[in-house]
Formats: sequence, structure tokens, C-alpha cells
Amino acid sequence: DVKVTQSSRYLVKRTGEKVFLECVQDMDHENMFWYRQDPGLGLRLIYFSYDVKMKEKGDIPEGYSVSREKKERFSLILESASTNQTSMYLCASIAGQVGNQPQHFGDGTRLSIL
Amino acid sequence: AQSVTQLDSQVPVFEEAPVELRCNYSSSVSVYLFWYVQYPNQGLQLLLKYLSGSTLVESINGFEAEFNKSQTSFHLRKPSVHISDTAEYFCAVRAMYSSASKIIFGSGTRLSIRP
Repeated sequence: DVKVTQSSRYLVKRTGEKVFLECVQDMDHENMFWYRQDPGLGLRLIYFSYDVKMKEKGDIPEGYSVSREKKERFSLILESASTNQTSMYLCASIAGQVGNQPQHFGDGTRLSIL
Repeated sequence: AQSVTQLDSQVPVFEEAPVELRCNYSSSVSVYLFWYVQYPNQGLQLLLKYLSGSTLVESINGFEAEFNKSQTSFHLRKPSVHISDTAEYFCAVRAMYSSASKIIFGSGTRLSIRP
């Protein structure tokens, strides 16, 4: 069974800090995604990657960057954390380029910026 | 481009009552359709999906969804809900034949079950 692991379930950081959220998947999936989830807004795509060292902006990339140096790992970086980045962050992965595969999600990281 | 609309943000129902969670989508190309469930403090899990063939798809825990192309809908139903069905449900679409295509999610419907 596919496992997507996010390094932290809960994280508290201060305004201005550089924050790293890590995600690892164990099924050799090509595509990986970072979303943020806020009440009433559903999931909003921040960035995705379809291969090592490749990245694409999602719908809300401002204030974030990503890194994918290895196929199994996709990192989300908050360059200078702000209070409006307090949210639930979800990582997902999906196999191949064909659209009929579902995404597999991690359990999420609830990030609070004070 | 695709979009997904979940018409109800919250649906309260009594235990053992039937429920329908509504989902409409728009797309200029053919799509695959998904329903995901998110239990409290967890990530999303796939509940069921429509890829092709029979327009009625079922999950292992009694949910079903029907793809209606003319109405561009993919409503989720269960004839009798249980307390354990309390969760948030997300409808999603992904374009066919598109490499590295994104999955587009609706805003979610929170299902609360009253005893």
C-alpha cells in the first residue's frame, strides 16, 4: 500500500522564520503535490512536481518555494513565515502521467505561525 | 480548465437516514471523477472513482455515486448513514489524456451524523 509521510503533524513557528515541511512517498511516484487546506476553501494547490528537479506553480505559490532533489522527497519551504500562512498543509503523490490514478495523501501538517 | 462545485458546505443528518452530497463540475474536456473522504485529523482517502463504463460506482462502505454527463454531476449517496461516516467529503476531477494534469477539488462538504 502506498504511504505518504509528512515529517510533522503539528508545527509552531514564529513570523519571519524559514520553515521546511517535508514529505516522503515510498511508491516511486513521479508526481508530487503540496496543498493547503483552509475551512470553506477546500484544497488549494501550492506547487507540484512531475519529476526530480522539476516544479510547477499551482494556484497560490506566493510566499512558498519547493525542492525535489530525490524522487521520493518533496519539500515545501516558507521563505519568511507570516501569520496568514497558518493552515493545514497536505502532501500528495500520484503515479504516472495518466489521469485515472487517484492521489495518495499524507496525514497533514497543521502549521501555526505566531 | 476544470472547476468543481459542492453545493452544500455542511449536511447534518440523523443516524440511519439517507444522505446525498451534491457535486457539479465543468470542463471543456472529458474528465475522471473522484470522491475523497477526510476523517478528523487525517489526510484525504479515496472513497470511489469514475473512470469509464457503468455510470454508477460504489465504495466498500456503502456509498455510491452516479455520473450524469448531461447534468455534469457526480452526486454521492448513502441509503443509511452511520456515526462513523462523520467526515468531510471532497469531490474532485482530473482531465483525461493530459500529462501531469492537476486534480481539481471542490470546497468540501462536512457531513455530521446525529444519533
